[in-house]
Amino acid sequence: GQSLEQPSEVTAVEGAIVQINCTYQTSGFYGLSWYQQHDGGAPTFLSYNALDGLEETGRFSSFLSRSDSYGYLLLQELQMKDSASYFCAVGVRNYGQNFVFGPGTRLSVLP
Amino acid sequence: GAVVSQHPSRVICKSGTSVKIECRSLDFQATTMFWYRQFPKQSLMLMATSNEGSKATYEQGVEKDKFLINHASLTLSTLTVTSAHPEDSSFYICSARQVHEQFFGPGTRLTVL
Repeated sequence: GQSLEQPSEVTAVEGAIVQINCTYQTSGFYGLSWYQQHDGGAPTFLSYNALDGLEETGRFSSFLSRSDSYGYLLLQELQMKDSASYFCAVGVRNYGQNFVFGPGTRLSVLP
Repeated sequence: GAVVSQHPSRVICKSGTSVKIECRSLDFQATTMFWYRQFPKQSLMLMATSNEGSKATYEQGVEKDKFLINHASLTLSTLTVTSAHPEDSSFYICSARQVHEQFFGPGTRLTVL
């Protein structure tokens, strides 16, 4: 089976930098994705890492270490609109290569 | 990015009725779509994988006779919740995969009275 761990809640202030960690145990791993979900909305794709290292997309960066089964999402220059839940998801070679989602991290950005 | 639509966005029904939810990929063909369920303040739980032209693959603990999935074309998958009960009230989200991204529909909030 698969298991993922994330912190349940993170709080930071506007303009700060926050890192959300994700550790996973899975078989058939082929990549790690991050999704953002605002209350009442559907998840939206943020980033994907298949190889070790850092991927940067604007204010958001994502890191993967396959040997450590670990990744993180880095959010810089936090804005109030970044308050949302963030899910890591591992891609697994199973049933059409679906993604298994972590429990999610609730980020609250304070003024 | 690719667009996935869902209909209806919200449905309220009486216990014992059946509800059909449609999921469409609007600008790409999806041989595989995924159906998730999300309870308040919880993560997305995969219910089943819908395969065009063949039977869906259900996750352990999901009743295939209760949650009927039909993937009749490369752009449409439907989920029918049969004989719905209050415990089926949830947020149902479909997604379609394109390369390494999963594009999600806006979700359907089902409330069973």
